[in-house]
Amino acid sequence: DIQMTQSPSSLSASVGDRVTITCRASESISISLNWYQQKSGKAPQLLIYAASSLQSGVPSRFSGSGSGTDFTLTIDSLQPEDFATYYCQQSHNTPRTFGLGTKVEVK
Amino acid sequence: QVQLQESGPGLVKPSETLSLTCTVSGGSISSNYWSWIRQPPGKGLEWIGYIYFSGNTNYNPSLKGRVTISVGTSKNQFSLRLSSVTAADTAVYFCARERRTVTAPGFYYYYLDVWGRGTTVTVSS
Repeated sequence: DIQMTQSPSSLSASVGDRVTITCRASESISISLNWYQQKSGKAPQLLIYAASSLQSGVPSRFSGSGSGTDFTLTIDSLQPEDFATYYCQQSHNTPRTFGLGTKVEVK
Repeated sequence: QVQLQESGPGLVKPSETLSLTCTVSGGSISSNYWSWIRQPPGKGLEWIGYIYFSGNTNYNPSLKGRVTISVGTSKNQFSLRLSSVTAADTAVYFCARERRTVTAPGFYYYYLDVWGRGTTVTVSS
């Protein structure tokens, strides 16, 4: 199985901050990397697919980059509704695997 | 707009079989991959498996052959069965659509773009 390692596991930030979350795959996955946002008690929502493609309806302050084994999710100008947990997921092969998540908390 | 809704018992006894159904509305099940994902309390996401509308399936080996995912096209539903459950199978179970994007010939990218709200299943006697 491809292991996905996210860092940090949690971070504290303020509204307006720029936030960066990284995800590393245990082997090359090209750009088969997706990012999801999950709020407490809710289902995950797709933010970014294929490493850098913004899902329809997702604000442009979210962006993704990377290829191979190293990927980044960036939130420009953090908004109150962005405090949540973020997961990366590889879809290069099966079984699909997720990172353990990064919780973005209020500073 | 496609929507998914999970249904099934919220309590299952140890050693018995967990059975859940996902109903697809606003679209047809006759395309895309249809997935199950679970999340134990306070933990991360675990992919269980998927089924293609044609019936081809792919399961997580970590579940050691206990999983069966099936499709019922006449009712726009797909189902999950997980046998011999233990307390470790207690989780929120989500169904989701896995969509495929083609950017160039031979270049396919897959992502979970529509999720159900999730249903909590507790394994306890």
